Amino acid sequence: NAGVTQTPKFQVLKTGQSMTLQCAQDMNHNSMYWYRQDPGMGLRLIYYSASEGTTDKGEVPNGYNVSRLNKREFSLRLESAAPSQTSVYFCASSRPGVANEKLFFGSGTQLSVL
Amino acid sequence: AQTVTQSQPEMSVQEAETVTLSCTYDTSESDYYLFWYKQPPSRQMILVIRQEAYKQQNATENRFSVNFQKAAKSFSLKISDSQLGDAAMYFCAPLGGNTPLVFGKGTRLSVIA
Repeated sequence: NAGVTQTPKFQVLKTGQSMTLQCAQDMNHNSMYWYRQDPGMGLRLIYYSASEGTTDKGEVPNGYNVSRLNKREFSLRLESAAPSQTSVYFCASSRPGVANEKLFFGSGTQLSVL
Repeated sequence: AQTVTQSQPEMSVQEAETVTLSCTYDTSESDYYLFWYKQPPSRQMILVIRQEAYKQQNATENRFSVNFQKAAKSFSLKISDSQLGDAAMYFCAPLGGNTPLVFGKGTRLSVIA
């Protein structure tokens, strides 16, 4: 059981370049999330999707776009990367309303913007 | 919406000793959950323990236990018989209503042999 799969694991971009981070889960979860992690800041929510076809902004959405392609996949796009977007990005999924609800995390993407 | 405060950026503990990590939160929800996640150097996010707010009994998972004070909105994590493998970042996170999980800024725990 793969769980939550993120690609790529590492990426280096130049300022102004664009890229898409991919995330897929095979647990039939309704909800999916994108967080970024910066030193001393914990994990901050960028965007989330409560169900297929819906997306909502989180705490730090500026500079990002998302697509909930289907129930399995939730991608994060940086249209014009900036050095301030250097971070570790985590995708996660969950099945809200379940008694033992928790987040399942991907392994993260280390992104550096030069 | 939920907010979380972890007031200890760093903590250290001697191997085999006990350490308590603090967390306070605020929420307008009446029904919610509280989580502690561990992040070792591998970067993997690992669920340590989970507490349902409606339960008065504190959750326990082997060497990990919580002290949940609902009125004070406090949710501390106690690690007993600390091991070298416990060294990690620890994040407290409340979950309530239809809003996503909100994480504290974390506490970095070092274990001294």
